[in-house]
Amino acid sequence: QSALAQPASVSGSPGQSITISCTGTSSDIGNYNYVSWYQQHPGKAPILLIYDVSKRPSGISNRFSGSKSGNTASLTISGLQAEDEAHYYCSSYTTISTYVFGTGTTVTVL
Amino acid sequence: QVQLVESGGGVVQPGRSLRLSCAASGFTFSTYGMHWVRQAPGKGLDYVAVISYDGSKPYYADSVKGRFTVSRDNSKNTLYLQMNNLRAEDTAFYYCARDLPFSGLDNWGPGTLVTVSS
Repeated sequence: QSALAQPASVSGSPGQSITISCTGTSSDIGNYNYVSWYQQHPGKAPILLIYDVSKRPSGISNRFSGSKSGNTASLTISGLQAEDEAHYYCSSYTTISTYVFGTGTTVTVL
Repeated sequence: QVQLVESGGGVVQPGRSLRLSCAASGFTFSTYGMHWVRQAPGKGLDYVAVISYDGSKPYYADSVKGRFTVSRDNSKNTLYLQMNNLRAEDTAFYYCARDLPFSGLDNWGPGTLVTVSS
């Protein structure tokens, strides 16, 4: 199972919106509405930001939103804040009944 | 609240074995599938293994198949990862995480570092 493709880095100024893409195949993203996104600050464990393409767990800011079209999912961060500077990973359930992660994107707040 | 705490990491020589544990609390452990995910220092997340709520249907990434075994003891609320014939490329932080069926991994432990080096 190949890793999902993400841009290596995305940057934006405080208050702006940024979008991170995540491209898979018909064996993962294209076949299920089971895309999840994780935020990881340096030295910390990942936390779940988005699941089932666009759902937010309790406690996650509504500045984070997700969407999907075909084999590509996207995470949008609105009203970018300094605390959003972190690594972001997408993931999808797959046709072999497990998960695959994305390559990861570093978000920089300018 | 849900708590997952890994232990058992350390420095080990190539070819040797190590067993990781993940102690779970704050939820009914026996009703959730559990995962192991690793991350080499400075690299991305790498899926390792998953085990269903009752210990059946383990799945392994190709990179660890035949060398790693995932198991669980629901009476002790503990998840295990037996790692044999370790290689330098197995050096990573190892995280256990709880399964949100089909949807993702909703709670993660802080991780334990495994270093394979002579």
